[in-house]
Amino acid sequence: DSGVTQTPKHLITATGQRVTLRCSPRSGDLSVYWYQQSLDQGLQFLIQYYNGEERAKGNILERFSAQQFPDLHSELNLSSLELGDSALYFCASSSSLLAGGTTDTQYFGPGTRLTVL
Amino acid sequence: AQTVTQSQPEMSVQEAETVTLSCTYDTSENNYYLFWYKQPPSRQMILVIRQEAYKQQNATENRFSVNFQKAAKSFSLKISDSQLGDTAMYFCAFMKHRNAGNNRKLIWGLGTSLAVNP
Repeated sequence: DSGVTQTPKHLITATGQRVTLRCSPRSGDLSVYWYQQSLDQGLQFLIQYYNGEERAKGNILERFSAQQFPDLHSELNLSSLELGDSALYFCASSSSLLAGGTTDTQYFGPGTRLTVL
Repeated sequence: AQTVTQSQPEMSVQEAETVTLSCTYDTSENNYYLFWYKQPPSRQMILVIRQEAYKQQNATENRFSVNFQKAAKSFSLKISDSQLGDTAMYFCAFMKHRNAGNNRKLIWGLGTSLAVNP
């Protein structure tokens, strides 16, 4: 168990709908990352937050948005869903503190499998 | 831009044998991190091993070790005494060093599917 939690584990929805994926980082981790894993594009970085602030953006569609809350949990919002959005969405967290060699190492949650029908 | 290449889409090994998975990368950075993650059928992404580019010593974690060749931009993973539980997809990943800026994203290879046979 990495200590990163994600809910829900599975999500099935229809095209055009909106969903919210939730992530709680490991205790003490300030950074949260979102990745998308699809069959045709592999693993793609979406977005990174640090202590509530957006730090970097990757291949994130305009229909997608995210935020990190004061309690450090993060949510990824996907709207106007299309069939191609079906994928496994991972959240990861890492520590900004210089401790135990774990700095910058990302630990992953179990993922949310999104199926758009 | 950085890229990560895993040239072996699939590999198989007999239980208790040793197997090496290949990874090459391209970067103009001098300092960075390299990782191997495994993704078993459960789809959980699990850290296997991490290497810091400025450390010449190859990282080891129990049965897992790496051969890091910085000049050749090569980062292979050796699994000794393979076990059935090692059956998984293995991903090589690159990350810039923190001194290179705030973007801490992982750049991934396409993975190698490893089957350990009894």
